[in-house]
Amino acid sequence: AQKITQTQPGMFVQEKEAVTLDCTYDTSDPSYGLFWYKQPSSGEMIFLIYQGSYDQQNATEGRYSLNFQKARKSANLVISASQLGDSAMYFCAMRAAYSGAGSYQLTFGKGTKLSVIP
Amino acid sequence: DSGVTQTPKHLITATGQRVTLRCSPRSGDLSVYWYQQSLDQGLQFLIQYYNGEERAKGNILERFSAQQFPDLHSELNLSSLELGDSALYFCASSALTGHEQFFGPGTRLTVL
Repeated sequence: AQKITQTQPGMFVQEKEAVTLDCTYDTSDPSYGLFWYKQPSSGEMIFLIYQGSYDQQNATEGRYSLNFQKARKSANLVISASQLGDSAMYFCAMRAAYSGAGSYQLTFGKGTKLSVIP
Repeated sequence: DSGVTQTPKHLITATGQRVTLRCSPRSGDLSVYWYQQSLDQGLQFLIQYYNGEERAKGNILERFSAQQFPDLHSELNLSSLELGDSALYFCASSALTGHEQFFGPGTRLTVL
């Protein structure tokens, strides 16, 4: 079974500084995908970034990058130049093992609440 | 805007009642996933449909059921509601290759 662990319930960062949100995972499957989602106070889930287990390079999307360390089973999200609008809950998720055509349900961590301080 | 729509946005009902939540996936997406987000359990996968067929089941109670229609919209039916069913219910859709799942805005269910 897959498991995602986010050990930081809450984080504070100064505006314009970089911040790293931790995520470790556990799986016995050789092929998997890792995701980060942002959930603002309004409640919607916003997809940020994806990393495949066989991807050679760390994923980047604008100010978001994923620090993927396969041997350590970690997939930390790095947000550069934090903005006030980055204040939200952040969830790390893993795509479950491929169990049939189109089966890609996600297992989520408990989330980290990020607060950006002006 | 993810392109996934969910109705209603809010739903308030009483214990013992039955409700139906509706989801329309992004244009062209064949897979629909339902998730429940509660304070106790966090975000949990409930059930997945692919092109009208049930494909995977997660922690879905027997009182809950879902279906996907020929036009690919999906409905999640919750019956004999209990206080503990109060949660945010998300629908997500993905394309065949399934990398990203795009979430709808959610339906916030309150059971009184």
